[in-house]
Amino acid sequence: DVVLTQTPLSSPVTLGQPASFSCRSSESLLHSNGNTYLSWFLQRPGQPPRLLIYKVSNRFSGVPDRFSGSGAGTDFTLIISRVEAEDVGIYYCLQATHFPRTFGPGTKVEIK
Amino acid sequence: HLQQWGAGLLRPSETLSLTCAVYGMSFTGYYWHWFRQSPEKGLEWIGEINPTGDTNYKWSFESRVTISLDTSRNQFSLKLKSMTAADTAVYFCAREDEIHRGSFDLWGQGTPVTVSS
Repeated sequence: DVVLTQTPLSSPVTLGQPASFSCRSSESLLHSNGNTYLSWFLQRPGQPPRLLIYKVSNRFSGVPDRFSGSGAGTDFTLIISRVEAEDVGIYYCLQATHFPRTFGPGTKVEIK
Repeated sequence: HLQQWGAGLLRPSETLSLTCAVYGMSFTGYYWHWFRQSPEKGLEWIGEINPTGDTNYKWSFESRVTISLDTSRNQFSLKLKSMTAADTAVYFCAREDEIHRGSFDLWGQGTPVTVSS
């Protein structure tokens, strides 16, 4: 299975400041069709994951533009340009290039 | 939205049976998935089904899992046989755009499942 490694596992962030989280894959996530299927989700306690970014850098409908994604191959980053209080939770990356689909362990974000 | 239900307490060796109802949308154009989440294993993909009924399962569930579609009732289901304590988790259903793989944009509310004698 493809292993996704997320760093850091915990991130105290400051309101109004930028934050970035890393997701590294044990294999390239470039699909034979030319797409890279790496997504980011935010999960709050007691809720299912919420889609933020798909195919590396595509912001899902309704997601604030302070969220952006980048990367290629095995190395990916989620950036929050200015953290807001509602951004707390656990951020997961997921790869959908290979079967089985796999998630990273998550980065827990809390306000300092 | 997606609404899921099923028994939340099972004894070892029993079969988990969960259903996910799809309201206000067609099955066409999407894949339909089951996941689970536990403190020990985190978020784990179980398998998927497409509108024509083709399935893919995670290899570790292959021998005991069935995902099926009931288009007449607008539902899809998960059956997982031979449950053990290791299968204790919150189970989620979810929708994925078939073009933008990985875009799991709709989720069920989650069903906590405990396996205990």
